Amino acid sequence: AQSVTQLDSQVPVFEEAPVELRCNYSSSVSVYLFWYVQYPNQGLQLLLKYLSGSTLVKGINGFEAEFNKSQTSFHLRKPSVHISDTAEYFCAVIVPGAGSYQLTFGKGTKLSVIP
Amino acid sequence: DVKVTQSSRYLVKRTGEKVFLECVQDMDHENMFWYRQDPGLGLRLIYFSYDVKMKEKGDIPEGYSVSREKKERFSLILESASTNQTSMYLCASGAAGPEYNEQFFGPGTRLTVL
Repeated sequence: AQSVTQLDSQVPVFEEAPVELRCNYSSSVSVYLFWYVQYPNQGLQLLLKYLSGSTLVKGINGFEAEFNKSQTSFHLRKPSVHISDTAEYFCAVIVPGAGSYQLTFGKGTKLSVIP
Repeated sequence: DVKVTQSSRYLVKRTGEKVFLECVQDMDHENMFWYRQDPGLGLRLIYFSYDVKMKEKGDIPEGYSVSREKKERFSLILESASTNQTSMYLCASGAAGPEYNEQFFGPGTRLTVL
């Protein structure tokens, strides 16, 4: 079975500063990796995903993530955050294959951007 | 624009009541999911359905059942609500395929059981 660890439950950062949200996963097989964002009082929205190919993945709203197989990590980064980035961020994995349905989520990281 | 809607944003029920949470998607997706979200625990899968009248248990099915009579609608049922079922419930849908297809989420229903 696979698991996801988000190392920080809360990350405060000043506006226009860079941010990194950390995600490590555990799996005995190859996985696909995702970052979702949840703005206050809303559902989840896909930020970006890694399925294969280039290990640096660019997503919406200026976010990017790098897949590191040797360190089993998929950290999310943004060079300059805005107030509107205040949200909760979830890392998730899925084992690819026919009939693959179940996403496994981390416990989430709350990003607070301070003006 | 893709859309997953949930019947209520907020719901307050009493212990022992039967509770229905409804989810509708307009994307003709085969797969539909019910998750529960709790602070510090992330999202946990309760049930999913890969076709009409088909269902599979997720990680935490105890105390819940589901119904999928039509492709676009997936209902979560709490037969006898308890206070430990106070939570945010998120519905999602996704297309079927040989590999993975993105799941689209509804806005959530915040259920309080008193």
